Amino acid sequence: GAGVSQSPRYKVAKRGQDVALRCDPISGHVSLFWYQQALGQGPEFLTYFQNEAQLDKSGLPSDRFFAERPEGSVSTLKIQRTQQEDSAVYLCASSPGQGANTEAFFGQGTRLTVV
Amino acid sequence: DAKTTQPNSMESNEEEPVHLPCNHSTISGTDYIHWYRQLPSQGPEYVIHGLTSNVNNRMASLAIAEDRKSSTLILHRATLRDAAVYYCILGPNNNDMRFGAGTRLTVKP
Repeated sequence: GAGVSQSPRYKVAKRGQDVALRCDPISGHVSLFWYQQALGQGPEFLTYFQNEAQLDKSGLPSDRFFAERPEGSVSTLKIQRTQQEDSAVYLCASSPGQGANTEAFFGQGTRLTVV
Repeated sequence: DAKTTQPNSMESNEEEPVHLPCNHSTISGTDYIHWYRQLPSQGPEYVIHGLTSNVNNRMASLAIAEDRKSSTLILHRATLRDAAVYYCILGPNNNDMRFGAGTRLTVKP
């Protein structure tokens, strides 16, 4: 079975451009997370979905960041008017349940470079 | 949120055991202790998790202090492929899975 798939793997955007990053979680997984990882840092939580409901978006750094998961499977992270400080690896993870007694599966990430 | 403290880096020799410590003095009774690791250019990978009792799986062992204020991830025989950043994370729910800076493990041949 396929793991968590993210696309594109690499994205170069000009400052001010809008970008959309896609995450295909493992089929049937209830929980989906987005993280931002700057070079040399640990992943920083952005947002969490339980099925189609976005239960926590406290980590989104600004209103330029928007995430959705309309049918409870595929999720898209959209960044509007990209800035250089948005350059990072964006990681998506999914897990089968919502409790802590389970593991999360991560994708390989999308490396975004804003020039 | 409960926080964890880990050393920035550790070194080990190949085929020797490695003990990676994590302090979590403000852990609550419902917090699970999770360990993930991240190899270069990869997403984090689940290693192990536990609540109160020590846990073993094919990758590692997790030793949890009786007061649960600290834990240790044990790699029984380090290999070069175990070189990674290891993260100790607490959470009552998955959406509380906040990563710190982790411990960078270097394995010397």
